[in-house]
Amino acid sequence: EIVLTQSPGTLSLSPGERATLSCRASQSVSNYYLAWYQQKPGQAPRLLIYAASSRATGIPDRFSGSGSGTDFTLTISRLEPEDFAVYYCQWYGSSLYTFGQGTKLEIK
Amino acid sequence: QVQLQESGPGLVKPSETLSLTCTVSNDSVSNYYWSWIRQSPGKGLEWIGYIHISGNTNYNPSLKSRVNMSLDTSKNQFSLNLRSVTVADTALYYCARLLPGVRFGFGHWGQGTLVTVSS
Repeated sequence: EIVLTQSPGTLSLSPGERATLSCRASQSVSNYYLAWYQQKPGQAPRLLIYAASSRATGIPDRFSGSGSGTDFTLTISRLEPEDFAVYYCQWYGSSLYTFGQGTKLEIK
Repeated sequence: QVQLQESGPGLVKPSETLSLTCTVSNDSVSNYYWSWIRQSPGKGLEWIGYIHISGNTNYNPSLKSRVNMSLDTSKNQFSLNLRSVTVADTALYYCARLLPGVRFGFGHWGQGTLVTVSS
């Protein structure tokens, strides 16, 4: 079973800064099936990125995804106040969906 | 814009069956794959399973022995039954629609419904 490990657990940054969030798989996975979500308090997760690097409908271009093999990255180029939230990676494989434990992005 | 709304009891007794329904608006359950996901402080986000109008279902192996999903096209709803629940099944339950196919993730989510398992 694939395990997704996200780091850091918490990231403290200021608006305007660049955020880099990591998702590492316990074994090499197809980047085609890697997705990223944003979750704000009291809300459901929202799909940001699918197939590792494709932005979902309506997602601003300051969000970008990259990576392959075991290492994937979500980058937010310039943080806006509304970007402070928890971010999850998710992978589909072996007919199973697996989520990472999340990275909390907080205001410094 | 597709909308999903979960409904069902917020409290279930141990050993009983948890039953939830997701009502879909602005889309048809005859299209796409439909899924249930739950979230708890202890286990994070956990995928439960998906269903398609074709009859194709797929359940998380960790829950497979207790899960059943169904579709009701006349009501444009899909449902989750989870048998023999324990306190470990206490969670916020979401229904969701997958992007076209099954590979690319969950593009639309309901707001979630909290289910507590307690006597």
